[in-house]
Amino acid sequence: DGGITQSPKYLFRKEGQNVTLSCEQNLNHDAMYWYRQDPGQGLRLIYYSQIVNDFQKGDIAEGYSVSREKKESFPLTVTSAQKNPTAFYLCASNINEQFFGPGTRLTVL
Amino acid sequence: QKEVEQDPGPLSVPEGAIVSLNCTYSNSAFQYFMWYRQYSRKGPELLMYTYSSGNKEDGRFTAQVDKSSKYISLFIRDSQPSDSATYLCAMSMGGGNKLTFGTGTQLKVEL
Repeated sequence: DGGITQSPKYLFRKEGQNVTLSCEQNLNHDAMYWYRQDPGQGLRLIYYSQIVNDFQKGDIAEGYSVSREKKESFPLTVTSAQKNPTAFYLCASNINEQFFGPGTRLTVL
Repeated sequence: QKEVEQDPGPLSVPEGAIVSLNCTYSNSAFQYFMWYRQYSRKGPELLMYTYSSGNKEDGRFTAQVDKSSKYISLFIRDSQPSDSATYLCAMSMGGGNKLTFGTGTQLKVEL
């Protein structure tokens, strides 16, 4: 089956720790995206990549980092510099008609 | 003012009703319009995808785009309890430009 997978489903982080969220797709899409979803605020774009080895900051990139070494993979690192990291993180792929993964819920303890 | 405005609801309707969900936007450069359905604690699922103005129908769902009024709608006919979810509108200028999302409307279809 083609699709987007994200892992883990739930992630708990202590203050001061970096954590990495995984996103993998087998849809052969060039473009991949990371969004953050908070209650009442909709989806906000963190980073996106339109091609391997290239990525751009979205609207709320501070405190996050990404890499795009393979077409299938676009991991997101939430660093200790992110002031309010507790949120639901969504990965998507494709350019206009975007498809989403199941999400990772990150909680800072 | 947000680029995309969407009433958060909640909207409660009886089973079998016709549901109308709407978004307004301010950027006249938007060309691609989407509706997503999101169940609680799940990723959004693409329901409808339209380009420019006009209507598109898929089963019980109809999407309408009125670019002159900067207004898009999603109609759900014969609503079912399984339609209870949050519906997100999204739009973009195309060509790899980012999607801009509404905040979502929470819909509850009651038996």
